[in-house]
Amino acid sequence: DTEVTQTPKHLVMGMTNKKSLKCEQHMGHRAMYWYKQKAKKPPELMFVYSYEKLSINESVPSRFSPECPNSSLLNLHLHALQPEDSALYLCASSQGVRRVNTGELFFGEGSRLTVL
Amino acid sequence: GENVEQHPSTLSVQEGDSAVIKCTYSDSASNYFPWYKQELGKRPQLIIDIRSNVGEKKDQRIAVTLNKTAKHFSLHITETQPEDSAVYFCAAISGAGSYQLTFGKGTKLSVIP
Repeated sequence: DTEVTQTPKHLVMGMTNKKSLKCEQHMGHRAMYWYKQKAKKPPELMFVYSYEKLSINESVPSRFSPECPNSSLLNLHLHALQPEDSALYLCASSQGVRRVNTGELFFGEGSRLTVL
Repeated sequence: GENVEQHPSTLSVQEGDSAVIKCTYSDSASNYFPWYKQELGKRPQLIIDIRSNVGEKKDQRIAVTLNKTAKHFSLHITETQPEDSAVYFCAAISGAGSYQLTFGKGTKLSVIP
């Protein structure tokens, strides 16, 4: 299994809603990532869980919060989002060695989020 | 931190011609340089990568070259086909205990039949 699975594929939410994006991989990778991608832009790193340690891009607002229940799962909890948060949210994983990313990022298909 | 510059931002070529996309990076400790292809509405997919101990790597119609001294690397696509039309991102990762991939801004390649 070389897939990273993301659910849901599409999500529409209001600014007062609470929702979650889910990501799962069964490749035994020890690093998992959330990226945000706006149209015609490169992916921007939001969070990394590597060997059970969380690293945060400090520019990410607190209305996004990651959760890593185990090494195969990575969730992104969404609360009180703004319309400018509408984007494609990509989950990825990599094999890594300790906290070093040594190779290919495997991306999920993405969750297309629209905030009304 | 690492900074990756990518040029050109758009590129149009006739089918069968070659396409070249160039990237420069700032961190001399970077040691891994992947190229991702992203078709409209789809996820980025790795098409080729190169590590800093290699100067060139080829996979069928796609090749990547790396000049560590000048800190630049390039993607070469020969005999382009319409299905090569996509956005291409270069990226770099520092070997200094980093988990973060820094992407270039992307190149939109259009192959005209």
